[in-house]
Amino acid sequence: DIQMTQSPSSLSASVGDRVTITCRASQSINNYLNWYQQKPGKAPNLLIHTASSLQSGVPSRFSGSGSGTDFTLTISSLQPEDFATYYCQQSYTTPLTFGGGTKVEIK
Amino acid sequence: EVQLVESGGGLVKPGGSLRLSCAASGFTFSSYNMNWVRQAPGKGLEWVSSISSSSSYIYYADSVQGRFTISRDNAKNSLNLQMNSLRAEDTAVYYCARGLEMATSRNWFDPWGQGTLVTVSS
Repeated sequence: DIQMTQSPSSLSASVGDRVTITCRASQSINNYLNWYQQKPGKAPNLLIHTASSLQSGVPSRFSGSGSGTDFTLTISSLQPEDFATYYCQQSYTTPLTFGGGTKVEIK
Repeated sequence: EVQLVESGGGLVKPGGSLRLSCAASGFTFSSYNMNWVRQAPGKGLEWVSSISSSSSYIYYADSVQGRFTISRDNAKNSLNLQMNSLRAEDTAVYYCARGLEMATSRNWFDPWGQGTLVTVSS
C-alpha cells in the first residue's frame, strides 16, 4: 500500500499568513494527488485534483504543486474560513489512501 | 445541484449487519464511478470501496474485503453498502462520494454526502 505522510500534523497561523502543507508518498504517484478541506462536523470538500488543478468554485488563494513523491498545498493568504483540517489523497492505485491530516488553527 | 444523501446508519452489535444507501440526484448517476469513504470518531479518512459506473469494476480496502459488498442500482440512482460481520473498529461516519466519469480506479472524490454514523457496540 502507498503510505501518505502529511506535515505538519497541525499548525497555528494568523489571517493573512501564507501557509504551506506538505504531503509525501511512499512511492512515486506521478501527479495523482488530491487535496481536501474538512471543517468540524462536515463532509470533506475537494480543493485540488491531480496535484495542481483547482476544483471549480475553490478560491484562487489555494494552489497545489509537486509530482512523484513530494507535494505541497499552499494557501497564499489565510482567511477566517480556511481554518480547518486538510487531507491529501493518492489516486494512483488502490487501495486509495489519505494522509493523516493537517489541522490549521488560529494563532 | 448535485446531491448525495446517505441513510441506513445506526447502532449494531458486533457480528451484526447493516445496509447503507446513498441517494444521488442532480447528475447522470449511471455515468460516474461511486465510492464509500469512512471516518472513525476523531480520526482521519479511510477509503472503503469503489464501484465503476456499470459495476464492472469493484475495489475494496483490505480491512473490509470479504465482509462488505458495494452495489449500485442505476435505474434508482442508488449506491449501497452491505456490511456484514461488523466489528467495533468499523465504527465511523460513512460517506458516499462521487468519483470520475470514466472507467478508472484513479478516483478523486467530489462531491461527498453528509455522512451516516455507524456504531458497532454491544
